[in-house]
Amino acid sequence: AQTVTQSQPEMSVQEAETVTLSCTYDTSESDYYLFWYKQPPSRQMILVIRQEAYKQQNATENRFSVNFQKAAKSFSLKISDSQLGDAAMYFCAYTSTNAGKSTFGDGTTLTVKP
Amino acid sequence: EAGVTQSPTHLIKTRGQQATLRCSPISGHTSVYWYQQALGLGLQFLLWYDEGEERNRGNFPPRFSGRQFPNYSSELNVNALELEDSALYLCASSFRDRGSEAFFGQGTRLTVV
Repeated sequence: AQTVTQSQPEMSVQEAETVTLSCTYDTSESDYYLFWYKQPPSRQMILVIRQEAYKQQNATENRFSVNFQKAAKSFSLKISDSQLGDAAMYFCAYTSTNAGKSTFGDGTTLTVKP
Repeated sequence: EAGVTQSPTHLIKTRGQQATLRCSPISGHTSVYWYQQALGLGLQFLLWYDEGEERNRGNFPPRFSGRQFPNYSSELNVNALELEDSALYLCASSFRDRGSEAFFGQGTRLTVV
């Protein structure tokens, strides 16, 4: 079974600075997808970024980028130029191409200080 | 375009009762997923429906069940409610392609007293 580990329950960053959230996973599959979701206090889950395992190039979405290390099974999220609106709980998720489910980490609560 | 809608927003039930939660996916999405999120914790996979069939099930007892209707909307039923069933239940929908983005609803907050 796949597992996803987010080792940082809480992180804080100063506005306009950069922060990196860690995620590691365990799987025996070679083809899968990885996602970062954001859950603000409203509880609405919002996709931040996705990565296909077969792609070596790291995904980037504006201020959000990932460092995907397939051999190390690591998938960290970097947020540049942090904004107050980035404050939320961030979840790393592994999605199997076959099993049709996503396995989520326990989340990292990000606080952005003005 | 309407997003994923869930009803009701809040639900209070007594231990032993049954709860029914509903989810309407985004138009064009055939897959619906259900997750349980206990307070302050991560999401636990419950069920995956696609094209009216249950495709996968998480590690939950049989009293958690559901179905998907021909219009792809879905119901989650929880029988014989227990106090620990209190949680936020999130529904998500996507295209059949597992790499496509799953869009989440705002959840149903179930409280069992």
